[in-house]
Amino acid sequence: GNSVTQMEGPVTLSEEAFLTINCTYTATGYPSLFWYVQYPGEGLQLLLKATKADDKGSNKGFEATYRKETTSFHLEKGSVQVSDSAVYFCALSDRDYKLSFGAGTTVTVRA
Amino acid sequence: EADIYQTPRYLVIGTGKKITLECSQTMGHDKMYWYQQDPGMELHLIHYSYGVNSTEKGDLSSESTVSRIRTEHFPLTLESARPSHTSQYLCASSEYSGRARYEQYFGPGTRLTVT
Repeated sequence: GNSVTQMEGPVTLSEEAFLTINCTYTATGYPSLFWYVQYPGEGLQLLLKATKADDKGSNKGFEATYRKETTSFHLEKGSVQVSDSAVYFCALSDRDYKLSFGAGTTVTVRA
Repeated sequence: EADIYQTPRYLVIGTGKKITLECSQTMGHDKMYWYQQDPGMELHLIHYSYGVNSTEKGDLSSESTVSRIRTEHFPLTLESARPSHTSQYLCASSEYSGRARYEQYFGPGTRLTVT
C-alpha cells in the first residue's frame, strides 16, 4: 500500500534560517506528490506539488523535488519568516481518489 | 481559489445531543472527503464520496454518518455526541486534474467540543 513518512517535529528556527523537512514515500504506482500547509486555526492549503520524477514544485519561496530514486520529496526554504510558522504535511496521490498523508511537522519560527 | 465552506467553525455541545456539521463546495467537484484531525495534528480519513448517492467509510472507524444528496453538499452527522468525539473535522473536495490526479481542496474546519 501507499504510505508517507515525514520528519518528526516540532521544529523551532530563528528568522532567516534554512528549513528542511524530510519526506519519503512508498507507493505501488507512479504517484503525484504534494506539500500542504496548515496555519493555526485554519484548514489545509496546497503549498506545492510535483507530478513526475525530477519535477520541482515551488511556491512562496518553498521548493521540493520529486526524487524517484530515493523515493523522497523534501521541503526546503532558504530564509524562513515568522509567518511560515505552521504545520506542514507531505502527501501522495496514486491511482485511487484518496490522499495518503504524513503525520505532519510543526514548524515554529522565532523573531 | 478554492471555494469550500464549513459551518459552524466552532461548536461546544453537551453529551447526547445530535449534531450536523455542514460542508459545501461551489467548484462542482464530484469527490468529497471528511477527515478527523487529532491533537497531534495527524489526519484520519473517516468518510468519502465519489458522487451523488455514493458514500464510503474511510480508514478510521467513526460513529458519524454522511450523506450526499447534492453534488455540492456533504454533511456529517453524529446522532449522539460523546466527549470522545471532541476533535477538529476537516472537509475536502477534489476532481481529476490530469497529472496532479486528485488534488484536494480543504475547508477551514469545524472544531467540535463535547462536554
